[in-house]
Amino acid sequence: DTGVSQDPRHKITKRGQNVTFRCDPISEHNRLYWYRQTLGQGPEFLTYFQNEAQLEKSRLLSDRFSAERPKGSFSTLEIQRTEQGDSAMYLCASSPSVVGETQYFGPGTRLLVL
Amino acid sequence: LAKTTQPISMDSYEGQEVNITCSHNNIATNDYITWYQQFPSQGPRFIIQGYKTKVTNEVASLFIPADRKSSTLSLPRVSLSDTAVYYCLPGGGGYNKLIFGAGTRLAVHP
Repeated sequence: DTGVSQDPRHKITKRGQNVTFRCDPISEHNRLYWYRQTLGQGPEFLTYFQNEAQLEKSRLLSDRFSAERPKGSFSTLEIQRTEQGDSAMYLCASSPSVVGETQYFGPGTRLLVL
Repeated sequence: LAKTTQPISMDSYEGQEVNITCSHNNIATNDYITWYQQFPSQGPRFIIQGYKTKVTNEVASLFIPADRKSSTLSLPRVSLSDTAVYYCLPGGGGYNKLIFGAGTRLAVHP
């Protein structure tokens, strides 16, 4: 257990539905990252926050995806109008903003879109 | 960010030492080299990080030659529980987004 928690751990939804995932980072970490991982591939970067500010978004993050970190603590990732191609493991990581510090990953939320 | 090349898969037996080498020819001067381990259905777990020469912790050793164009993760006396995917990431210095490749799938056999 790295101290990063994600909820839910598994989510099954029907195409077209909206889903929201939550990430609770390690409390003293001010950087929070979201990644997506499909079967057999390494995780792909989606977006990251420094405190409550969203500083970078990948081109993978279409307009159906939105992430927030309103108080600089937990974060949510929402996917609207889900598609089958959204099926993946969604990973959250946190780190301090210190050079040389590593990112600590949560267990992930596995999404299956039917 | 530097592109990495590492073996797609490796096989070993319990008790053996395993060395996984990663090439990162275009590594930036200020990039660290970080290795992560990932078990099925879990998030990646940090193993070790270094900048140059040799780093050792309770899990592994990391060897980085002077030109820093490659690095070798060494796992001493592997066990079945070391079966996982291992990722090499130059630039994993905490505040940067991590760029994962496909990693090396290590299978440890009895």
